[in-house]
Amino acid sequence: QAVVTQEPSLTVSPGGTVTLTCGSSTGTVTSGHYPYWFQQKPGQAPRTLIYDTNNKQSWTPARFSGSLLGGKAALTLSGAQPEDEADYYCLFYYSGARVFGGGTKLTVL
Amino acid sequence: EVHLLESGGGLVQPGGSLRLSCAISGFTSSSSAMSWVRQAPGKGLEWVSGLSSGGDRTYYADSVKGRFTISRDKSKNTLYLQMTSLRAEDTAVYYCAIFFRELDFWGQGTLVTVSS
Repeated sequence: QAVVTQEPSLTVSPGGTVTLTCGSSTGTVTSGHYPYWFQQKPGQAPRTLIYDTNNKQSWTPARFSGSLLGGKAALTLSGAQPEDEADYYCLFYYSGARVFGGGTKLTVL
Repeated sequence: EVHLLESGGGLVQPGGSLRLSCAISGFTSSSSAMSWVRQAPGKGLEWVSGLSSGGDRTYYADSVKGRFTISRDKSKNTLYLQMTSLRAEDTAVYYCAIFFRELDFWGQGTLVTVSS
């Protein structure tokens, strides 16, 4: 089973920009992995921010964007807000099965 | 409005079995693939199992393959996860989830504790 790797933690200043990345042990991440990004806040179920690399949900703030960058999937937050402090997980598709990354704890400070 | 309500969690001894249920309302389960996702206390998310929209294809994480079985009862609009040979490392909150493109629905989770 593939392993998906994320930065364990990142810190961004309010109003700043940060990029979270997800790599795959199988090699380059492509659109065929249908990358998802989920946000989870304490005590809550996760919810999708980005699906299929760069598609936003209706509730996804415009400051979030998804892309493929340097062989990885990336989630960029431009203009961080205090309410963006949360855990972020990516998810990749591997021929039917899915694998989550270990998660990135994002601190806005 | 779509609601997913998990049930069936609880305390079980190592080697035991448990069946989780996910009752779906406001959405027809056969309209989308569905998944079970778990989260051990203080840990990250782990995708456990998935069922295709047609109900004919099942997928499992290596960690549960051969021990867990996902299924669906269309008449009851309910998703199940039959768990056998449970281990301490299966202790987690188990979420029933639908995430496919713009669809994104999650239950509140049910806690499974495997301990003697």
